[in-house]
Amino acid sequence: GENVEQHPSTLSVQEGDSAVIKCTYSDSASNYFPWYKQELGKRPQLIIDIRSNVGEKKDQRIAVTLNKTAKHFSLHITETQPEDSAVYFCAASIDNTGKLIFGQGTTLQVKP
Amino acid sequence: EAGVVQSPRYKIIEKKQPVAFWCNPISGHNTLYWYRQNLGQGPELLIRYENEEAVDDSQLPKDRFSAERLKGVDSTLKIQPAELGDSAVYLCASSLSNEQFFGPGTRLTVL
Repeated sequence: GENVEQHPSTLSVQEGDSAVIKCTYSDSASNYFPWYKQELGKRPQLIIDIRSNVGEKKDQRIAVTLNKTAKHFSLHITETQPEDSAVYFCAASIDNTGKLIFGQGTTLQVKP
Repeated sequence: EAGVVQSPRYKIIEKKQPVAFWCNPISGHNTLYWYRQNLGQGPELLIRYENEEAVDDSQLPKDRFSAERLKGVDSTLKIQPAELGDSAVYLCASSLSNEQFFGPGTRLTVL
């Protein structure tokens, strides 16, 4: 079955710097890749997603890139702010199966 | 629009006791999911419903876990009897298409 590896497990950056989180997946049939942000004690919330028919997607300070050949995708956050501090999870699924396989999570700390 | 509602938010029980969690999905969302999230890890799918049908329960430990979604709306997840290793956050999610919306979760502590 699908396996998703996420790195790094923790990431500390200064406010204003960029942060990059990387994930790899094993099942080449996976074609939907969402990213969730989870603040302490709160529910996971979708921040951006990408499908396998595009290589990059951007939403303000957040972007996701996908390399289908290498089976990896990355989250890029620019101009980080203290409120970006949270745990970020990547996930992969085969469209229409609804079965999201999550990575282990990255704890991002943005220092003011 | 109201989000996914779960109750209780917290539950502390002794091992071997039964426990039940309730979820009310976003109105109109046909697909409902139950996940378990252990501390420091990502959510893991336990069961997925399309309306009232369980279409994927391959990860549900069926010896002690059961779930139902009788009218295709609300759902209940039960553990009987609970074990120490069941301590986790149980998340419910619902979707209309690919995007899954999560509830706040129930934090279960088994003593």
